[in-house]
Amino acid sequence: NAGVTQTPKFRVLKTGQSMTLLCAQDMNHEYMYWYRQDPGMGLRLIHYSVGEGTTAKGEVPDGYNVSRLKKQNFLLGLESAAPSQTSVYFCASSYGLTGGYTFGSGTRLTVV
Amino acid sequence: RKEVEQDPGPFNVPEGATVAFNCTYSNSASQSFFWYRQDCRKEPKLLMSVYSSGNEDGRFTAQLNRASQYISLLIRDSKLSDSATYLCVVIARGDSNYQLIWGAGTKLIIKP
Repeated sequence: NAGVTQTPKFRVLKTGQSMTLLCAQDMNHEYMYWYRQDPGMGLRLIHYSVGEGTTAKGEVPDGYNVSRLKKQNFLLGLESAAPSQTSVYFCASSYGLTGGYTFGSGTRLTVV
Repeated sequence: RKEVEQDPGPFNVPEGATVAFNCTYSNSASQSFFWYRQDCRKEPKLLMSVYSSGNEDGRFTAQLNRASQYISLLIRDSKLSDSATYLCVVIARGDSNYQLIWGAGTKLIIKP
């Protein structure tokens, strides 16, 4: 039982490049989330999904897009990376919106 | 004032001691509360939910004080393995969605 799997674990991008972060969960959770974590700040919600085919904006959605074409997968896209997007990105899933979350191991992204 | 605040620490505590820290929140409509622990360069992991009546899980006790708008985490007989950053998350129902706000975490260091 893998739980939540994120790929890649590390990535360096040049300003203006694009990339997609992949998140997969095998717990049949309806809810999935993308967070970013920066030093001295709490986890900030980028986008989330309450089910297959649905997405919603979180606290800091600008510069990111997401898709949930399959229940088990939640993709986060950066269309034109900026240095301000240097961060650690965590994907999470949960059974309910107010339930405990299971996190992936994170993606460390550096934009230069 | 931040919506969810935690003392960043670090709390340096000798092994075997009892330590407690709080997480204050500003939204009086907050409904659900959780404590997570995060080891260095790892993902957050659910430690425990916080119930209105307070709850205990082994050496850990979580309490909610709605009047003063904070939750607390108490660790008894601390172990070296308790060294981590402890994050709180507060969930409130908004007009059209839920708000999930994370504290920036309290760093705990248990010393032999």
